[in-house]
Amino acid sequence: AQSVTQPDIHITVSEGASLELRCNYSYGATPYLFWYVQSPGQGLQLLLKYFSGDTLVQGIKGFEAEFKRSQSSFNLRKPSVHWSDAAEYFCAARSMDSSYKLIFGSGTRLLVRP
Amino acid sequence: DGGITQSPKYLFRKEGQNVTLSCEQNLNHDAMYWYRQDPGQGLRLIYYSQIVNDFQKGDIAEGYSVSREKKESFPLTVTSAQKNPTAFYLCASSMGLAESTDTQYFGPGTRLTVL
Repeated sequence: AQSVTQPDIHITVSEGASLELRCNYSYGATPYLFWYVQSPGQGLQLLLKYFSGDTLVQGIKGFEAEFKRSQSSFNLRKPSVHWSDAAEYFCAARSMDSSYKLIFGSGTRLLVRP
Repeated sequence: DGGITQSPKYLFRKEGQNVTLSCEQNLNHDAMYWYRQDPGQGLRLIYYSQIVNDFQKGDIAEGYSVSREKKESFPLTVTSAQKNPTAFYLCASSMGLAESTDTQYFGPGTRLTVL
């Protein structure tokens, strides 16, 4: 069965520092992959998505992610974190069955130190 | 202003009551989804609908029901049979199967609390 793993429950970084959030997926073929961000009590906002082609994907708010087939990873990065980036981040893969549902990781909560 | 709306934002239910959560979209999307979010567990699919008048059970459909009478609306009813309904409920929509790069967009959510 497809699964998505986010190994870090919490990450704390200082404002201005770089950020990398890890995501690993399990599936034989190339999945469609997404990163969403959620502020407390809010819905999910799409940051970026990968379907095919260039393995480095640019998103909104200065985020990017790199798909690495050899490592089954789709890590999210940002070169310089802002205090407003504090939120929960979810990696997701689209199911290959007829539902087209999203299979989510359990999320990584980002805390930003001033 | 296009988007997905969910109402109410907060909902309180007594034991044994059925409640209905609203989800409306004006994006002209064919597909709509309901997810449940619990702390530390990510999101899990309750029901989905890929076309009007048709819907399918997701991974955790027990205790829930839905209808899809209009393209823009996909209400979710949490019945008294749902043993642990306290959660954050998120509705999503997408273009659907006709779009190979199908992407789901989410509403703001409804927080349901059982008293």
